[in-house]
Amino acid sequence: AQKITQTQPGMFVQEKEAVTLDCTYDTSDPSYGLFWYKQPSSGEMIFLIYQGSYDQQNATEGRYSLNFQKARKSANLVISASQLGDSAMYFCAMRPPRYRDDKIIFGKGTRLHILP
Amino acid sequence: AAGVIQSPRHLIKEKRETATLKCYPIPRHDTVYWYQQGPGQDPQFLISFYEKMQSDKGSIPDRFSAQQFSDYHSELNMSSLELGDSALYFCASSLESNTEAFFGQGTRLTVV
Repeated sequence: AQKITQTQPGMFVQEKEAVTLDCTYDTSDPSYGLFWYKQPSSGEMIFLIYQGSYDQQNATEGRYSLNFQKARKSANLVISASQLGDSAMYFCAMRPPRYRDDKIIFGKGTRLHILP
Repeated sequence: AAGVIQSPRHLIKEKRETATLKCYPIPRHDTVYWYQQGPGQDPQFLISFYEKMQSDKGSIPDRFSAQQFSDYHSELNMSSLELGDSALYFCASSLESNTEAFFGQGTRLTVV
């Protein structure tokens, strides 16, 4: 069964430091998509970054990069030079191929606190 | 760039009433997803549509129904509301599999 595991319920990081949020996934399908979303206290679900299972290079979007290690089924999010506005809940998610399930499966999330 | 639009943003209903939530996906996106998120919880999948046809179904109560219309907007209909239905409801859209999926700002439903 497809599953996303985020082992860090909460993290505290000093401003300007780099942050790595862990995510592992379980799937037997060769084709899938991986996502990271940010949910601030205001509630909206903000798309950060996407990685396809066949993408050769790790995805990057500004200060966000996804450390994709396919053999280890790992998709960690790296935030460089953290800012106070990065304080939020972060969800790792996976989408299986449509022929199996047409949905996005979420992990339990990691609450990130950036300290001034 | 156009985003996913949800309406209303906030909704207060009494028990046993009916609610209709609307979702307008990003233009040309062919897939819509609906999620329910309780306080402190991760989003729970309710239902999805691909090209206006239901494509997957999650833990959606029988009191809830959804459809996608010819203009690709989708509606989630919730009847006989219960206190436990109070949650944040999200709609997301994407274009084909294995691409980004974007969420709307959500509808916060409060049942009193």
